[in-house]
Amino acid sequence: QKEVEQNSGPLSVPEGAIASLNCTYSDRGSQSFFWYRQYSGKSPELIMFIYSNGDKEDGRFTAQLNKASQYVSLLIRDSQPSDSATYLCAVTPKIIFGKGTRLHILP
Amino acid sequence: DTAVSQTPKYLVTQMGNDKSIKCEQNLGHDTMYWYKQDSKKFLKIMFSYNNKELIINETVPNRFSPKSPDKAHLNLHINSLELGDSAVYFCASSQAYRGQYNEQFFGPGTRLTVL
Repeated sequence: QKEVEQNSGPLSVPEGAIASLNCTYSDRGSQSFFWYRQYSGKSPELIMFIYSNGDKEDGRFTAQLNKASQYVSLLIRDSQPSDSATYLCAVTPKIIFGKGTRLHILP
Repeated sequence: DTAVSQTPKYLVTQMGNDKSIKCEQNLGHDTMYWYKQDSKKFLKIMFSYNNKELIINETVPNRFSPKSPDKAHLNLHINSLELGDSAVYFCASSQAYRGQYNEQFFGPGTRLTVL
């Protein structure tokens, strides 16, 4: 059974600190990796995607991919209360979403 | 507005009824999807169409039937609704590239409640 695993949380982080969200996947054939943010009662929206090993930065967000360890992470710097949401990790080409990590930024 | 739209937003119905959810995207994408998100917020893919051709058909009851009249539309018809079908159904679209599935844009969701 190919899976994507995330800690369900909640992960509580003080405002201004770095939030670190982790995701592991079981399918070594996975090629593309996505992070989506979902606010309560809303639809998922793309935060970042990454295809290659290493880091990819976009503003306050950094995605990190390690294919050897089958691990992808999302770092959020200078966390804001508006970052409080559920973060979904997804892999392709077999499209599988993790169950999400609830992030709570403490003001 | 360029977006993925779904109708209806809410759907309340009795067990045994047949219902449809419609989805349209004006992003020019060639791939569309249906997802089910259950009460535990687990998002699971059900179907995907690429240029009107079914390419992903996960293990879902055959009471669920997708239809894609053109690449901008993907509808979901559900027969003989059951209590367990209660969930939020999301439509999404993306532009497939070199066989990979790029970032997906989601519609607002349809909350289906079966009584």
